[in-house]
Amino acid sequence: QKEVEQNSGPLSVPEGAIASLNCTYSDRGSQSFFWYRQYSGKSPELIMSIYSNGDKEDGRFTAQLNKASQYVSLLIRDSQPSDSATYLCAVNQGSSNTGKLIFGQGTTLQVKP
Amino acid sequence: EADIYQTPRYLVIGTGKKITLECSQTMGHDKMYWYQQDPGMELHLIHYSYGVNSTEKGDLSSESTVSRIRTEHFPLTLESARPSHTSQYLCASSRQQSPLHFGNGTRLTVT
Repeated sequence: QKEVEQNSGPLSVPEGAIASLNCTYSDRGSQSFFWYRQYSGKSPELIMSIYSNGDKEDGRFTAQLNKASQYVSLLIRDSQPSDSATYLCAVNQGSSNTGKLIFGQGTTLQVKP
Repeated sequence: EADIYQTPRYLVIGTGKKITLECSQTMGHDKMYWYQQDPGMELHLIHYSYGVNSTEKGDLSSESTVSRIRTEHFPLTLESARPSHTSQYLCASSRQQSPLHFGNGTRLTVT
């Protein structure tokens, strides 16, 4: 079992729809969770960070964390073609203060006009 | 705006050459990292540093080496490049438990 698992997709949604991206992780000691967006050929850029159970909203993006079930999700409302990219889930490695992140393989999102 | 800089952006080099990939950050972050990413694959940590004169190998074994003589500078060196080293190399930095900030990456091709 991978430490951070994501469905590789592609996930295809029509423009204006809600895109739902999911991620599960295996380390119960993880405390910090991040979503990065990566366009083809580019480096990852941070979209959201979440540290406690529940929802966190930022514009069209909502991150959801459930530590008991060990999953974190990202909702994108009113999806736009410019949202088409690979979304990487990243989880800090255990409860240590190393700052090291373990990345999932990413989910490719396609938003069709 | 980029606060973490990687050079070169692209590098094509022959087998057996020594190469150094540069990474510098101006944010004063104590922690720096090198990740390797093949096309369509996940990022794998190959080196990290907690501060000056502190370096550790990451989860993915790599023949490269790193140094951290100054806080802002974290170069990666390959003594003898091979085609198997062809990949994208991403440098990142962070402060404590804050998110990683990535540079633009170096796409290395070894012929």
